[in-house]
Amino acid sequence: DAGITQSPRHKVTETGTPVTLRCHQTENHRYMYWYRQDPGHGLRLIHYSYGVKDTDKGEVSDGYSVSRSKTEDFLLTLESATSSQTSVYFCAISASGTYEQYFGPGTRLTVT
Amino acid sequence: RKEVEQDPGPFNVPEGATVAFNCTYSNSASQSFFWYRQDCRKEPKLLMSVYSSGNEDGRFTAQLNRASQYISLLIRDSKLSDSATYLCVVRGFYGGSQGNLIFGKGTKLSVKP
Repeated sequence: DAGITQSPRHKVTETGTPVTLRCHQTENHRYMYWYRQDPGHGLRLIHYSYGVKDTDKGEVSDGYSVSRSKTEDFLLTLESATSSQTSVYFCAISASGTYEQYFGPGTRLTVT
Repeated sequence: RKEVEQDPGPFNVPEGATVAFNCTYSNSASQSFFWYRQDCRKEPKLLMSVYSSGNEDGRFTAQLNRASQYISLLIRDSKLSDSATYLCVVRGFYGGSQGNLIFGKGTKLSVKP
């Protein structure tokens, strides 16, 4: 299995609080992604990174920000959590020159 | 039309059966295709990439029909352990040359003894 961890694995938070999710990889892959998965939807891309300090928006980026200060870490921040952000969040990595992506175990976030 | 469409199932089959999943995609410019498998409350895992000539990996065969924008996955001799949700995935165009992945909603397979 690809060396990807996510933390925390589960979190319950209140509406309006900031939340940061962490993705850590040991594969030294260039590309990292954040997706969310909700019932009735396929996985949807939130943000992605193509290198240290290089990030861009995905399909559902409103209300989220990201940072990547090191190759191995990609952080997803919900500035002010809302109930619509209750979801399962998956991080993925991909190496240059390939298109396959490998996923972390996910974070289940509940916003009450 | 949704970007990637799959029959949601569920497909309930007995052990040893052959089962086929189909998927259509909307963007004719798409170049890379995959099948992922997702177990309940787990992350998606790459099952196989789908090549233009079709490809086989053990009991699994994937086919691509670019003209019809159609992808298929065939599972022969189903095992109980094949029970999962199968995700049809197409490479999209976020992320410049690397691209993101666009997921179908998945087809649920349940293999019964």
